[in-house]
Parts: sequence; structure tokens; C-alpha cells
Amino acid sequence: DAKTTQPPSMDCAEGRAANLPCNHSTISGNEYVYWYRQIHSQGPQYIIHGLKNNETNEMASLIITEDRKSSTLILPHATLRDTAVYYCIVRVGNNAGNMLTFGGGTRLMVKP
Amino acid sequence: SQTIHQWPATLVQPVGSPLSLECTVEGTSNPNLYWYRQAAGRGLQLLFYSVGIGQISSEVPQNLSASRPQDRQFILSSKKLLLSDSGFYLCAWSYVSYEQYFGPGTRLTVT
Repeated sequence: DAKTTQPPSMDCAEGRAANLPCNHSTISGNEYVYWYRQIHSQGPQYIIHGLKNNETNEMASLIITEDRKSSTLILPHATLRDTAVYYCIVRVGNNAGNMLTFGGGTRLMVKP
Repeated sequence: SQTIHQWPATLVQPVGSPLSLECTVEGTSNPNLYWYRQAAGRGLQLLFYSVGIGQISSEVPQNLSASRPQDRQFILSSKKLLLSDSGFYLCAWSYVSYEQYFGPGTRLTVT
């Protein structure tokens, strides 16, 4: 699976959009981009994933560049409860083991 | 709906003692099951995964083992714990879709 690079930490004001970047310059054509987050002392929570088109769900939006070498997770109106470590993962979609490889992630701090 | 359970939630064990952590999934059949470990301040490390009963794949060689005696039960074990085994142990499952869903975790402290 391709390696990802994320900033170690970010701050965001409550109510503003949080834009979390991820670089995955070695991504292959059959690798998906996944985002998970982990709130302190809890298990990771799935947020969203995509292949090449932008995606949106009730939690967030995922913007993938045309060359697929980077992506941005957008939390449109961050709340204090969105404070967590956000993990960007790229993985082959049809991996039989369906494994996830978590890196260091970005620690997002939402401030009032 | 599917739910995943882990127990115990916290555990303090002396070095050299055995370990047994249990994970069960409800509301689905033949899920893929995973054990991850997270050391303090670190990312998640995949330890084992299973695509079916009795099928275990190990990602990291260590003194831990895993078993899947039933379709929706995944057990993580050790015969003798080391200090380095301390951490937050997470079980996860996935099915037809590619997302993984995690349990609440077990925080293990080896003293």
C-alpha cells in the first residue's frame, strides 16, 4: 500500500471548515483513499473514502486532485467533538485481507 | 445493525502472565476480523487478520497469537506477556464494503 504524508497537527476554530491535507504521491491506479479518525481513548471511526471522484457524506467531503497524488478531507463546520487524530490511508480496494495501515495521522484541535 | 464488542475494557497484568482478549461481532456473518495494537502516542499496527474460521494471518512476529474459533469471535492471546505488550488493543471487522469498523478497545498495561 502507498505511503501517505500528513501534517502532525492542525488547529481549527469552532464553526469554521477544517481542511486536512494528505499527500500520497506514489498512489497506484487501483488504490483508494480512506479517512478515519480516532477520538481519544476510542477505536478509530470510518469517515469517507474515494478513488478519483470527489465524495461527500454526512460527516465530511473528500477532494482528490486530478493526478490523485494528494487529497483533502473537509469538515465543513467543525465542532469541539471533531477534535481527534485523523488518518489518511491509501489501500488497494480489492485487497483480500482488507487491511489498513495507519500512519501518524494529523491531530486536529478544534478551539472555541 | 452490526455491533462489535471487546472485553475487558482495561487490564493490568504482570510480566510473564498469560493474556486472553476477546472480540465478538453481532449482526453479520463471515466478516473479516482484525487485531490492531496502538502503543502510547503512536499509530495503529496491524497484528492479525482473519478471513474465516480457523484462518489467521500474522503481520508482525511476536509473542502474541490469534484464534478464530467461531465465525464472529476473534481471540488474541499470549502465553507470557512482555512489558512491550502494553498498549491499546483494537478489534475491527469488515464485510462486503471496504470500510473497517472498530470496537471500543482494550487498554492493557503490563507491569
